Amino acid sequence: ELKVEQNPLFLSMQEGKNYTIYCNYSTTSDRLYWYRQDPGKSLESLFVLLSNGAVKQEGRLMASLDTKARLSTLHITAAVHDLSATYFCAVVVWSGAGSYQLTFGKGTKLSVIP
Amino acid sequence: EAQVTQNPRYLITVTGKKLTVTCSQNMNHEYMSWYRQDPGLGLRQIYYSMNVEVTDKGDVPEGYKVSRKEKRNFPLILESPSPNQTSLYFCASSSRTGTSNQPQHFGDGTRLSIL
Repeated sequence: ELKVEQNPLFLSMQEGKNYTIYCNYSTTSDRLYWYRQDPGKSLESLFVLLSNGAVKQEGRLMASLDTKARLSTLHITAAVHDLSATYFCAVVVWSGAGSYQLTFGKGTKLSVIP
Repeated sequence: EAQVTQNPRYLITVTGKKLTVTCSQNMNHEYMSWYRQDPGLGLRQIYYSMNVEVTDKGDVPEGYKVSRKEKRNFPLILESPSPNQTSLYFCASSSRTGTSNQPQHFGDGTRLSIL
């Protein structure tokens, strides 16, 4: 059974600081997604990481994937209050005939304080 | 507008009374899926479907049924709901993967309370 572990689960950081959220997973996978969820809202896709060494950046967020280490990181640069949300990583496990299961981490609740 | 539509958004019901949560997408996506979200547990996949008439169990399928008679619809059925199925449910869809890099698009969620 695939296990996806995110840490930290809670993160309180000051505006302007940098920090990294980690996503470890327990079985081979070549595809990983990062999502953002605001309170009371649905999930919004942030990044799709398709291969080993993939790096994607959008604004103050940068995500990377190391399939050999089974690790993805979401790096936050110079945090601003608008980044306060819960962030989820989700790992693809192929189940044959092009189909797949998606397993989520438990999420990292980020609070950016002035 | 591309979207995944779930109904109802909120439902309070009683144990044992059959209910159906509908999910419809207008993006011609092959893949559809249901998740439940519980505090401290993240999202867990209930069922998924890669095509019409093809469904597979996710990590927590017990107590749920699904059907995929049409490409656009993927209803979630609780034949005999119990209080431990009180949760926030999300439907999602995506285009066929393979070389595609499309993420799943999520509906707005259905908050289910079973008394």
